Amino acid sequence: DQQVKQNSPSLSVQEGRISILNCDYTNSMFDYFLWYKKYPAEGPTFLISISSIKDKNEDGRFTVFLNKSAKHLSLHIVPSQPGDSAVYFCAASLYNFNKFYFGSGTKLNVKP
Amino acid sequence: GAGVSQSPSNKVTEKGKDVELRCDPISGHTALYWYRQSLGQGLEFLIYFQGNSAPDKSGLPSDRFSAERTGGSVSTLTIQRTQQEDSAVYLCASSPRQGAGSPLHFGNGTRLTVT
Repeated sequence: DQQVKQNSPSLSVQEGRISILNCDYTNSMFDYFLWYKKYPAEGPTFLISISSIKDKNEDGRFTVFLNKSAKHLSLHIVPSQPGDSAVYFCAASLYNFNKFYFGSGTKLNVKP
Repeated sequence: GAGVSQSPSNKVTEKGKDVELRCDPISGHTALYWYRQSLGQGLEFLIYFQGNSAPDKSGLPSDRFSAERTGGSVSTLTIQRTQQEDSAVYLCASSPRQGAGSPLHFGNGTRLTVT
């Protein structure tokens, strides 16, 4: 039973436009959420996180939004750059727990 | 090096053989995780270590899988009598402390192919 779902396996965006990646979760007890970026043949790298006490966290071009009532989070990248082309994973956990649940990933292609 | 190191980067083995995958976490990181990613799938949790003990082994797929960690540092994931469905990228991650919103730092993984 997958507790974190990324329903879009791929997304294609023009350079300079906004990329919006979505993630849904089923466990209302999750209170810490993360986004990871993965290039081919490399491990995932941490991008941005948000705790459930917030509904938005921003870091440069990257913003994560959390909608607890809908059990939904999204990652906005603006403006998108070709170097952002990668697979993006969302993950969720309990803040003081140690198991992170990952989605299946969304492959983002930013076209020059 | 500064990051999580995994070896080998690639391993091809025959069905039925045993394999050992190694992970060197970031120095000082007390928590260590093993995940695997099968083709087209997300990251599947296998096991978690805090220090040398493994409080959560719930993700190990079968008793052919085992892992240990020594000295609070290096970890080895062993798969006995490998099967073709074990083919995947095995990822190790570490974090500086237990829980408390600490992100995982991943290695580049070991790509295991069972023929």
